[in-house]
Amino acid sequence: GDSVTQTEGLVTLTEGLPVMLNCTYQTIYSNPFLFWYVQHLNESPRLLLKSFTDNKRTEHQGFHATLHKSSSSFHLQKSSAQLSDSALYYCALTRNNYAQGLTFGLGTRVSVFP
Amino acid sequence: EAAVTQSPRNKVAVTGGKVTLSCNQTNNHNNMYWYRQDTGHGLRLIHYSYGAGSTEKGDIPDGYKASRPSQENFSLILELATPSQTSVYFCASGAISGNTLYFGEGSRLIVV
Repeated sequence: GDSVTQTEGLVTLTEGLPVMLNCTYQTIYSNPFLFWYVQHLNESPRLLLKSFTDNKRTEHQGFHATLHKSSSSFHLQKSSAQLSDSALYYCALTRNNYAQGLTFGLGTRVSVFP
Repeated sequence: EAAVTQSPRNKVAVTGGKVTLSCNQTNNHNNMYWYRQDTGHGLRLIHYSYGAGSTEKGDIPDGYKASRPSQENFSLILELATPSQTSVYFCASGAISGNTLYFGEGSRLIVV
């Protein structure tokens, strides 16, 4: 079945330094959508960005990611972390039938310190 | 912005009791979903629905039932709650043509 593998566990970094969260996926579907969702403490997950197009950079709120189908990857990056970026980040993948929802990775917790 | 609301937000249940988690969405999405969130397991799909009257099994349906009586409402039912079902449950909705999921606030369930 479909699966998503993310950077495991907790990532701690200092404010102002770059952020990179890895995401790779497996699917039999040739045209999946890939997503990054962000969940702040005591909130629900919300969409950060998504992509369908191979090798095209997608940006939102200072974050960016590029879908690379050749390597089945969709890594999330930001050039300079802010304290407000502390959150839980999920990479997710559409199932073969979009209506069947998303398959999520295990999540990566990011903690940014001054 | 899509609106998905869940009730109750917090629930303590006894082992063997029946629990119903309710979800209402006001954005007229056809598709609705129930996920549970556990540390170390991420978000896992329990049940989903294509529209009123339909329910489908997700990846971890055992011990759960679902009901979709209308476009707006989707319930998750635990007939015989067990401590292993202690978790945070999220309802989400999504349009047919789209693929973005909009999540509710979550329902924290503790089974003692």
